[in-house]
Amino acid sequence: RKEVEQDPGPFNVPEGATVAFNCTYSNSASQSFFWYRQDCRKEPKLLMSVYSSGNEDGRFTAQLNRASQYISLLIRDSKLSDSATYLCVVTPLGTSGTYKYIFGTGTRLKVLA
Amino acid sequence: DADVTQTPRNRITKTGKRIMLECSQTKGHDRMYWYRQDPGLGLRLIYYSFDVKDINKGEISDGYSVSRQAQAKFSLSLESAIPNQTALYFCATSDPGAGTDTQYFGPGTRLTVL
Repeated sequence: RKEVEQDPGPFNVPEGATVAFNCTYSNSASQSFFWYRQDCRKEPKLLMSVYSSGNEDGRFTAQLNRASQYISLLIRDSKLSDSATYLCVVTPLGTSGTYKYIFGTGTRLKVLA
Repeated sequence: DADVTQTPRNRITKTGKRIMLECSQTKGHDRMYWYRQDPGLGLRLIYYSFDVKDINKGEISDGYSVSRQAQAKFSLSLESAIPNQTALYFCATSDPGAGTDTQYFGPGTRLTVL
């Protein structure tokens, strides 16, 4: 089983739609969680950290479910510019472990006009 | 100007050649990383450095070496390139003092080994 798993997609959604991605992780002791966005052939960029209580940034909402070992990303009112690959990142527990990013393979989103 | 820069951005080389990829940062971060990305695979860590005197192997270090010339510079070398090292290479930096140790990536180097 992969340490971090994501549905590769693509998710094709119309503009204005709401779309949700899940990411599962295998290490129950994982410490930190992030969503990164990666445009085609570009560098990953931090979209948002994921906190235990859940967090929201504009149209984006991230949730963490430790019991079921998954994190989710919800995008409301999708824009064409949201088309990208969304990478799930998990770090293991440990005093220096926060450096060790474990990446999912990414979920590709296409927002259609 | 970008905070993390990589040179070259694209490189085509032949099997057996030595090649160096360079990374520079102006973020003042102590930690620097080298990753490779292949289609269908997540980013994988090659080497990381917590400061100039602290360099560590990542999960796929075979065939690679690194040099941390200064806090701001971290180079990745392929001593004898082989075709399965064809990939997109990213440098990243982070600052553990910032709390979450968030990593910031350079624009990437696309390497093709023929």
